Amino acid sequence: NAGVMQNPRHLVRRRGQEARLRCSPMKGHSHVYWYRQLPEEGLKFMVYLQKENIIDESGMPKERFSAEFPKEGPSILRIQQVVRGDSAAYFCASSPPGPNTEAFFGQGTRLTVV
Amino acid sequence: AQSVTQLDSQVPVFEEAPVELRCNYSSSVSVYLFWYVQYPNQGLQLLLKYLSGSTLVKGINGFEAEFNKSQTSFHLRKPSVHISDTAEYFCAVTNNNDMRFGAGTRLTVKP
Repeated sequence: NAGVMQNPRHLVRRRGQEARLRCSPMKGHSHVYWYRQLPEEGLKFMVYLQKENIIDESGMPKERFSAEFPKEGPSILRIQQVVRGDSAAYFCASSPPGPNTEAFFGQGTRLTVV
Repeated sequence: AQSVTQLDSQVPVFEEAPVELRCNYSSSVSVYLFWYVQYPNQGLQLLLKYLSGSTLVKGINGFEAEFNKSQTSFHLRKPSVHISDTAEYFCAVTNNNDMRFGAGTRLTVKP
């Protein structure tokens, strides 16, 4: 059973371009979380999704950011018109349904906006 | 919603010294508590978790944590640290709806 897979590991985008970050959860996991880690800062919650539903997006910036977790395929975090302040490590975590479960993390995608 | 406060952003200690990383949480419902470790340029790994039962939880690499409901704390401890314990440590809380993390504590072990 492969772990949580994130790709790409490193992504460089020019200001104004779009960034697409992918997260394939572990097999059997239907819950996905996205977190952002800015340099020298901790993890900041962005969004919590279940298959085809956004459960909590209270940590998502109001503009330019969106996330989805379709019935088939990976979860996508999309950042439109990137700016330098979007440069960060973006981590995805997944967990199975039910209580008493911890989240398993991917290796992260490091986005650099130049 | 639940939240987590890690009181120390950085903790420097000498090798073989004991260490305590502090974590306090707030929640209006029962929660489950976790400690994760992040080594440089890597994702997070689970150190230990408290779900129910004994309030003293033992994890990997010699770490343990104690759940204190009256003080809403879940402090992480290790009696003797190694250089290899240098990393970022995150406390997390979930009520089965979503998981929230503290800002992290950077533990630096010096020779």
